[in-house]
Amino acid sequence: EAGVAQSPRYKIIEKRQSVAFWCNPISGHATLYWYQQILGQGPKLLIQFQNNGVVDDSQLPKDRFSAERLKGVDSTLKIQPAKLEDSAVYLCASSLRSGGSGANVLTFGAGSRLTVL
Amino acid sequence: AQSVTQPDIHITVSEGASLELRCNYSYGATPYLFWYVQSPGQGLQLLLKYFSGDTLVQGIKGFEAEFKRSQSSFNLRKPSVHWSDAAEYFCAVSGGSYIPTFGRGTSLIVHP
Repeated sequence: EAGVAQSPRYKIIEKRQSVAFWCNPISGHATLYWYQQILGQGPKLLIQFQNNGVVDDSQLPKDRFSAERLKGVDSTLKIQPAKLEDSAVYLCASSLRSGGSGANVLTFGAGSRLTVL
Repeated sequence: AQSVTQPDIHITVSEGASLELRCNYSYGATPYLFWYVQSPGQGLQLLLKYFSGDTLVQGIKGFEAEFKRSQSSFNLRKPSVHWSDAAEYFCAVSGGSYIPTFGRGTSLIVHP
């Protein structure tokens, strides 16, 4: 089966500019996650979608970050305006569904590396 | 709240030597536990998981991990390390929310 697709793989922007990342999950996976991975740290959850609804966005900096998952498939994560501390790898992951044994095994994409100058 | 501690930032082993990466978790009930591996420029790949049952779980690439409830640990082991095992290893825990929380990772360096 095809994996989780993400684009772009790399992006360099100036601070205060905007950027958008795209994710296409594994077909049939109802749950989609965006994680932020800062260099030297583990991934930190930004937002979780179940189909096209938000399950958890408690750690999403909503003053500058937004995400949507139209039609319950693809998702876009946007940052506007970007700050220096947003430099990180943005990982998209998907799973079959949320909850239950065997249901929260995440499959990750390769990530989108953002550098903010 | 759930959390994971990986006390070792870097581990260096010789090729062919055994490996143990430490992971301690904090969660009030029985957790779901995972080990993921991340090669440079890649996403995270699942090595193994523990949901219930046998506390010794086998994974891909010859890795295994043991769940020890009394020690709140889920250490990853491999009897003989190959150069291709050099990567970043992440332990993760999920509980009632089913959303994994990751540790900061341990970087494995393999000497020839």
